[in-house]
Amino acid sequence: GAGVSQSPSNKVTEKGKDVELRCDPISGHTALYWYRQSLGQGLEFLIYFQGNSAPDKSGLPSDRFSAERTGGSVSTLTIQRTQQEDSAVYLCASSFTLNSPLHFGNGTRLTVT
Amino acid sequence: DQQVKQNSPSLSVQEGRISILNCDYTNSMFDYFLWYKKYPAEGPTFLISISSIKDKNEDGRFTVFLNKSAKHLSLHIVPSQPGDSAVYFCAASEAGGYQKVTFGTGTKLQVIP
Repeated sequence: GAGVSQSPSNKVTEKGKDVELRCDPISGHTALYWYRQSLGQGLEFLIYFQGNSAPDKSGLPSDRFSAERTGGSVSTLTIQRTQQEDSAVYLCASSFTLNSPLHFGNGTRLTVT
Repeated sequence: DQQVKQNSPSLSVQEGRISILNCDYTNSMFDYFLWYKKYPAEGPTFLISISSIKDKNEDGRFTVFLNKSAKHLSLHIVPSQPGDSAVYFCAASEAGGYQKVTFGTGTKLQVIP
């Protein structure tokens, strides 16, 4: 398929462990976004990339969160020393340009026990 | 601070009738508004959008209305179909870009056959 692909689809981890979430955007899409949805909440913006650059990191909840994008394609979101409040569905989206609609992946459901 | 608010968490409508989903926003800098639809275990998909220079945009069974003075928008679905049952997210962005789209908490629509 040609959609946004996220892996893993589900991740259960113990509190204090590090996790890495992966996003493969649609080929040719220059912009990539990370959002998360906690239970009963709306989609919370985390970070976006234009190419490999992340001009706005203000949405990252804490310094335990980091993200990178390489080759203008794949992106990884890393959460260090996970906490229970990190449990959420993490959604990745990509768009052709910053002025194009977002196309979302199916998300990674993260559960921190 | 919830800048985009969907005050109805759920809505039930009979098949064939009109569904009206409402959204209010507080940020007067928002100038582009979108509706996304989300099925369980899938990412949100773009449905329809409207620029602040318009007050109505129609696409098939879906119409979005924008009342800038009231900072209110609504999505009308006519006629409603069982396949429309999903969670609908209202979203808004500033300066016509998608760098930081702000989403509401969603309204779960159930269309009863």
